[in-house]
Amino acid sequence: GAGVSQSPRYKVAKRGQDVALRCDPISGHVSLFWYQQALGQGPEFLTYFQNEAQLDKSGLPSDRFFAERPEGSVSTLKIQRTQQEDSAVYLCASSLPSGGLYEQYFGPGTRLTVT
Amino acid sequence: AQKVTQAQTEISVVEKEDVTLDCVYETRDTTYYLFWYKQPPSGELVFLIRRNSFDEQNEISGRYSWNFQKSTSSFNFTITASQVVDSAVYFCALSETGYQKVTFGIGTKLQVIP
Repeated sequence: GAGVSQSPRYKVAKRGQDVALRCDPISGHVSLFWYQQALGQGPEFLTYFQNEAQLDKSGLPSDRFFAERPEGSVSTLKIQRTQQEDSAVYLCASSLPSGGLYEQYFGPGTRLTVT
Repeated sequence: AQKVTQAQTEISVVEKEDVTLDCVYETRDTTYYLFWYKQPPSGELVFLIRRNSFDEQNEISGRYSWNFQKSTSSFNFTITASQVVDSAVYFCALSETGYQKVTFGIGTKLQVIP
């Protein structure tokens, strides 16, 4: 079966541009997560959806970051007025929680470079 | 607040050597989950293991084994008879019960030299 897919795989944006990153989770997975991974660091939590509800957005670094999952499947992470510090790999993961035990399946990530 | 520390940033071993990757965690919860993920050069994180805080049994899966010790808040990962294909960055991670948020360590880059 298909895993988590993300598009685009690479994105170069000029400072100040808006970008939209897409995540297609594994079919039927209820939970969806976005992480930001800077070079040489571990993934850092950005936000979490359960179906279409955004239950935790505590990791979003600023109000320039916005995520949505309107129909409970595909999700989009939008970054407005990109800054150089936004350069990172953005990872999406999905999971099917069962009784509190959950493992997250990760996509290949989108590498964003802001010039 | 939860925290995961991987003190070893890079390790190099010669093929067929055993190697242990250290992980120390901090949490105020009595119930939590610990994970190990592998990130090969291709970049995609691969799930290796999940451990519930109530289950302190060590686990072995092929050449991989995990040693969970609540007394020292450690969840170490050993690869026996390492192979070149084991070269990757390995992340230890923690999640507190009731929260979907996973906190990752900084990762340990393992290089296995042929």
